[in-house]
Amino acid sequence: SQKIEQNSEALNIQEGKTATLTCNYTNYSPAYLQWYRQDPGRGPVFLLLIRENEKEKRKERLKVTFDTTLKQSLFHITASQPADSATYLCALGGSTLGRLYFGRGTQLTVWP
Amino acid sequence: KAGVTQTPRYLIKTRGQQVTLSCSPISGHRSVSWYQQTPGQGLQFLFEYFSETQRNKGNFPGRFSGRQFSNSRSEMNVSTLELGDSALYLCASSLTAGNTEAFFGQGTRLTVV
Repeated sequence: SQKIEQNSEALNIQEGKTATLTCNYTNYSPAYLQWYRQDPGRGPVFLLLIRENEKEKRKERLKVTFDTTLKQSLFHITASQPADSATYLCALGGSTLGRLYFGRGTQLTVWP
Repeated sequence: KAGVTQTPRYLIKTRGQQVTLSCSPISGHRSVSWYQQTPGQGLQFLFEYFSETQRNKGNFPGRFSGRQFSNSRSEMNVSTLELGDSALYLCASSLTAGNTEAFFGQGTRLTVV
C-alpha cells in the first residue's frame, strides 16, 4: 500500500530563514502532488499543486519541487514569518479520481 | 463566493448511536470527498461522490456511509458509533475530481463517549 512520509513531525526555524519540508513516498506513482496548510481546529487549505511532468512550481514565497525518480517533493518557504507557523501536509493523487493520500504532516514553528 | 460549509461543527454522541454529518460544497463543485482525521492516523479517505454517485470508497467498515444530492450537497452517516470513531470529519469539494485543488470545510468534531 502507499506510504507517505514527511521528514519530521516538527520543524522550528527562525524568522527570515528558509523552511524546507520533505515529502517522500513509496508504492505509488502519483500523477500530481499537492501541499496544504492546516491550522489548529481548521480544515486544510490548498497551497500548491505540481504535476508529474513538472519539476518546480513557485507561488510568492513558496516553492515546491517534484522528483519522481527519487519519489520525493520538497516544499520551501522563503523569508519565513511567524504567521507561517502551521502544519503542512503533502497529498498525492492521480490513480483514483477524487482520492488524495495524505502524509501525517510537519508542524512548522517560526520564532521571531 | 461561499466556501465549503459543514454542519454541525461539534457533536457529542454515545456509543451505539448513529450520526449524520452534512456538507455543502462550493457552488458549481460537483465532487465531494470525505476524510477522517485523527492524531494517530492523520487524514484517511472515506469516500468520494460525483454527480450523486459514489465513485470511490476507502477502507472503512460498512457503518460508514454517505450520499450526495442533486444539488451536490452531501451527507455522511455513521451507525453504531464506537469510541474509535471520535475524530475530525472533513469534507472537501472540487470542481471536477483529480488534478485540481480540493477546498476543505472547517470539519465536524465528533466525540463519542
